Amino acid sequence: KQEVTQIPAALSVPEGENLVLNCSFTDSAIYNLQWFRQDPGKGLTSLLLIQSSQREQTSGRLNASLDKSSGRSTLYIAASQPGDSATYLCAVLTDSWGKFQFGAGTQVVVTP
Amino acid sequence: DGGITQSPKYLFRKEGQNVTLSCEQNLNHDAMYWYRQDPGQGLRLIYYSQIVNDFQKGDIAEGYSVSREKKESFPLTVTSAQKNPTAFYLCASSIGTSGLYNEQFFGPGTRLTVL
Repeated sequence: KQEVTQIPAALSVPEGENLVLNCSFTDSAIYNLQWFRQDPGKGLTSLLLIQSSQREQTSGRLNASLDKSSGRSTLYIAASQPGDSATYLCAVLTDSWGKFQFGAGTQVVVTP
Repeated sequence: DGGITQSPKYLFRKEGQNVTLSCEQNLNHDAMYWYRQDPGQGLRLIYYSQIVNDFQKGDIAEGYSVSREKKESFPLTVTSAQKNPTAFYLCASSIGTSGLYNEQFFGPGTRLTVL
């Protein structure tokens, strides 16, 4: 069974520092990997989708890399801002039609 | 605006009562999902549906039931058999085909509390 792990569970950084969030998965046979942001008491907002054939995906200050062979993805957020404070979750797609496996998330606090 | 709506935002259930959570999408997606989220844990899949009139149990289906009579709607009933239903419930949808491009979108969630 596919297992997805996000370490650390929480981190705090000063404003302006770059954020590095990790996601690891046990089975490299994935279709894609998706990064989400969740604010307290809210639903998940999709940030980036990386297809299994891609090595990275970028959107604004966000960059996500994927290394299937080692079962890892990293989300980089450049020049962090207090508004980036949220929980970040990753999910891998293990079936072609859409069964996703989620990590527990990393809670991020960016201090002014 | 295309998206997923869930209602109500907050729901309170008494012991022994069944309650139904609503989920509607206008994204024309084939696949829909229900997840449960507990503090400090990842999302756990309750039920999913690939097409109308078909649905499958997820990892924690006991005490829950669903229906998929319309493409746009996927209501979840939390029955009295679910012993610990207090949680945050999230509905999602995806295209359901073309695995590489299959991206999941979420509704705003329903917080269910047992009184």
